[in-house]
Amino acid sequence: SQKIEQNSEALNIQEGKTATLTCNYTNYSPAYLQWYRQDPGRGPVFLLLIRENEKEKRKERLKVTFDTTLKQSLFHITASQPADSATYLCALGQGGGNKLTFGTGTQLKVEL
Amino acid sequence: DVKVTQSSRYLVKRTGEKVFLECVQDMDHENMFWYRQDPGLGLRLIYFSYDVKMKEKGDIPEGYSVSREKKERFSLILESASTNQTSMYLCASSLPSAITDTQYFGPGTRLTVL
Repeated sequence: SQKIEQNSEALNIQEGKTATLTCNYTNYSPAYLQWYRQDPGRGPVFLLLIRENEKEKRKERLKVTFDTTLKQSLFHITASQPADSATYLCALGQGGGNKLTFGTGTQLKVEL
Repeated sequence: DVKVTQSSRYLVKRTGEKVFLECVQDMDHENMFWYRQDPGLGLRLIYFSYDVKMKEKGDIPEGYSVSREKKERFSLILESASTNQTSMYLCASSLPSAITDTQYFGPGTRLTVL
């Protein structure tokens, strides 16, 4: 069955460092992968999408890589700030108006 | 901006009660989804709808039903609430797309069943 794995343990880093979050998947051939941010008690908010034929995508301090051979995506936040503290979810989809499959998310804490 | 609203932020119900959770989106999206989110289990899809009066089961439909009589509104119904349905319920909508399927979420309803 399809499986998406994200680090269940919280990631604690110091302000100014680069945070790197991992999303691994099995038994899936996604057309694209998305990353969402979720703050406590709120719904997820879309951040970035990367397609299967793209290796890397950037948006301001965010960078996403996608390796379909390793079946892995890495999500980087450079120059991290306490305001970046949240849970980050990856989601896989196959396009064509189909549903997404979400990972369980990784909690990031950026400390002063 | 897309706006997805949910009828309640917090809800407390008793076991056996019939519970209605309402979701409204204002961007004319065809697709709408209901998820529940529990610690360690992530977002799990309950039901989704691609069009008015259309519904499809997600991964955990047991104990739930849905209704979509108008394009902008998607309701989740717990016919007889049970304590194991205590959870955060999230509604989302999206445009059908060959490429992105980006979902826009509501703020969530935290349901407690006593």
